[in-house]
Amino acid sequence: DTAVSQTPKYLVTQMGNDKSIKCEQNLGHDTMYWYKQDSKKFLKIMFSYNNKELIINETVPNRFSPKSPDKAHLNLHINSLELGDSAVYFCASSHIYEQYFGPGTRLTVT
Amino acid sequence: GQQVMQIPQYQHVQEGEDFTTYCNSSTTLSNIQWYKQRPGGHPVFLIQLVKSGEVKKQKRLTFQFGEAKKNSSLHITATQTTDVGTYFCASRFGGGSNYKLTFGKGTLLTVNP
Repeated sequence: DTAVSQTPKYLVTQMGNDKSIKCEQNLGHDTMYWYKQDSKKFLKIMFSYNNKELIINETVPNRFSPKSPDKAHLNLHINSLELGDSAVYFCASSHIYEQYFGPGTRLTVT
Repeated sequence: GQQVMQIPQYQHVQEGEDFTTYCNSSTTLSNIQWYKQRPGGHPVFLIQLVKSGEVKKQKRLTFQFGEAKKNSSLHITATQTTDVGTYFCASRFGGGSNYKLTFGKGTLLTVNP
């Protein structure tokens, strides 16, 4: 059983398009996150949700809009994709302090 | 902003050699976590340290939190090819559900068999 799953695993799209990434966790955790990992492997938090409520919103362009329909799901919608959005996006969840990461979605914008 | 600095950025060793990565902060940390990310994989939690001077071991891995709680290290004894990956330190800032995990830039370990 996969604890944190993401779809799709790979996403190749053109500049200007809109795309979504979905995340689901079956761990019963209250808090979920989106991270961006750039080509230099730097991991940076983008958003954090606790029980469907937005808790942390780092300085992310408003083209990025997270949505949590329930506490087991956290999706990420990206409008008007730009070349600089190319990265690996990780979803994660946590109960107390340990974070569990999904397998990642490699987004390539051409 | 809150930062954790990690060195070295890269380390290449022969199998059987030891490896150490270091994490430093200019401010006192309440905790430090370590994660491992295999090539093409996702970060996996290894351990959390919270006490000043704390030392924890997991088989060949030794984790240390400095007395001043401003630095931490991960030491691997007698590396194996399965140790290949990027090792990240991270620290939680904030409280309750409002905490944010700030990651160091990671140390990429490669092991020559």
